[in-house]
Amino acid sequence: ETGVTQSPTHLIKTRGQQVTLRCSSQSGHNTVSWYQQALGQGPQFIFQYYREEENGRGNFPPRFSGLQFPNYSSELNVNALELDDSALYLCASRSTGGDTGELFFGEGSRLTVL
Amino acid sequence: RKEVEQDPGPFNVPEGATVAFNCTYSNSASQSFFWYRQDCRKEPKLLMSVYSSGNEDGRFTAQLNRASQYISLLIRDSKLSDSATYLCVVNMGSGTYKYIFGTGTRLKVLA
Repeated sequence: ETGVTQSPTHLIKTRGQQVTLRCSSQSGHNTVSWYQQALGQGPQFIFQYYREEENGRGNFPPRFSGLQFPNYSSELNVNALELDDSALYLCASRSTGGDTGELFFGEGSRLTVL
Repeated sequence: RKEVEQDPGPFNVPEGATVAFNCTYSNSASQSFFWYRQDCRKEPKLLMSVYSSGNEDGRFTAQLNRASQYISLLIRDSKLSDSATYLCVVNMGSGTYKYIFGTGTRLKVLA
C-alpha cells in the first residue's frame, strides 16, 4: 500500500451543501496534491500544498479550498456543492527530497452530489 | 487541444498479444513523463517512468519522442492481469506541482 489514507471513502451530499475531505500523507512526504476524477476521465489537478502553503492551483473555482497541517496531512473543502462535483477525489503525496517524481495516491473519496 | 491526449480505447486483445498505446502532449517544455496504471474503482499507481533513452521493465517498454511530443507504452505477452486503464502523465519538471493526466486508455485482455 502507498501509506496515503483518505476519509471518508464514500459520501453523499445535496446541492448547496459543503464537504470536507481528509488525507494523511505517506511518512516523510511534505507535499500533498488533490485531484478530481470524474467518471471516464483522467485525474484533474485541483491544487498542491507544500509546507502548509498552497503553491499551485488548477482550473477550479475558489469554492474549492484546502489546508495542510504541520504533520503534512491535508483537507479539501468544497462549498456550495454542484451536481458536477460528483467525482472521485484523490489525494497524492510525494517527497521533494530526492524527488523521483512519483505520486503516491490514496484510495480516494467518492463524492455523490444529489 | 488537450494538454495530454490518449486514445480512450477500449483495446480488447487476446492473452499473449502485444499491444501498444500512444500519448501526445502539447507543451514542449514538459520534462517528466510517466505511465500510471489504474484498476477499476482504484487509485492510480506508477507503472513506469519514461526516459529519453527509452526504458524497459519486464514485458513493458516505454519510449519518448520529444521531437514529435509523444510517449508510447508497449506491453508484450499480455496477461489477464494487465486489464486496466493506462494513464499517460506529464510534468513540467523537478519540483513543479502540476501533473497533467490523460483520460486513460482502457485495456481488456481476453482469455
